[in-house]
Amino acid sequence: EVQLVESGGGLVQPGGSLRLSCAASGFTFSSYWMHWVRQAPGKGLVWVSRIDIDGSRTTYADSVKGRFTVSRDNAKDTLFLQMNSLRDEDTAVYYCARGYTSSWPNWFDSWGQGTLVTVSS
Amino acid sequence: DIVMTQSPDSLAVSLGERATINCKSSQSVLYSSNNKNCLAWYQQKPGQPPKLLIYWASTRESGVPDRFSGSGSGTDFTLTISSLQAEDVAVYYCQQYFGTPLTFGGGTKVEIK
Repeated sequence: EVQLVESGGGLVQPGGSLRLSCAASGFTFSSYWMHWVRQAPGKGLVWVSRIDIDGSRTTYADSVKGRFTVSRDNAKDTLFLQMNSLRDEDTAVYYCARGYTSSWPNWFDSWGQGTLVTVSS
Repeated sequence: DIVMTQSPDSLAVSLGERATINCKSSQSVLYSSNNKNCLAWYQQKPGQPPKLLIYWASTRESGVPDRFSGSGSGTDFTLTISSLQAEDVAVYYCQQYFGTPLTFGGGTKVEIK
């Protein structure tokens, strides 16, 4: 069974940093693209970032480009999202999601339960 | 960016009746390599992560009940729940994966009348 478990969320002040992790199990992690998707309280889904199977190629939403960095450790089956210069509008539940394939096009076939990031002073 | 517009924002349907959700993309999401549309549908129940229902606009994910069906092509798509069940109460999102950034519709909340 595919499992994705996020951690690392919490309360942080504006301008601060957080590092989210997503532990994967139940599948060959190194064979799949991975994504981060966020959802502000009471709002819709917004794609944040993706990373290809070996971490050589990453893509970001304009709203986080230059502030967030996605990475992965295939030896530890773990996905990361380093978030710097956090803003109030980054407050959201952050989901890691598995891409359906290891190439483009890519949609999301499994999701974690999410971790809440709250940016507030 | 490809903008996804869903309608209605919410709808209330009686148990056993049909629910229809529309999704329109600001440009075609037809993938020429396989002549399929890069459109997925997700279901999100309260307090839960989204769940994949449909991809390639009309291919049902394994394990999804056959009362859920997707249709459409180009820029106009539809998710139909043929006979609404109590467990179908949720917010439904369409998503295009034709281009980056990947974008979602605003969601449609389905309730029981």
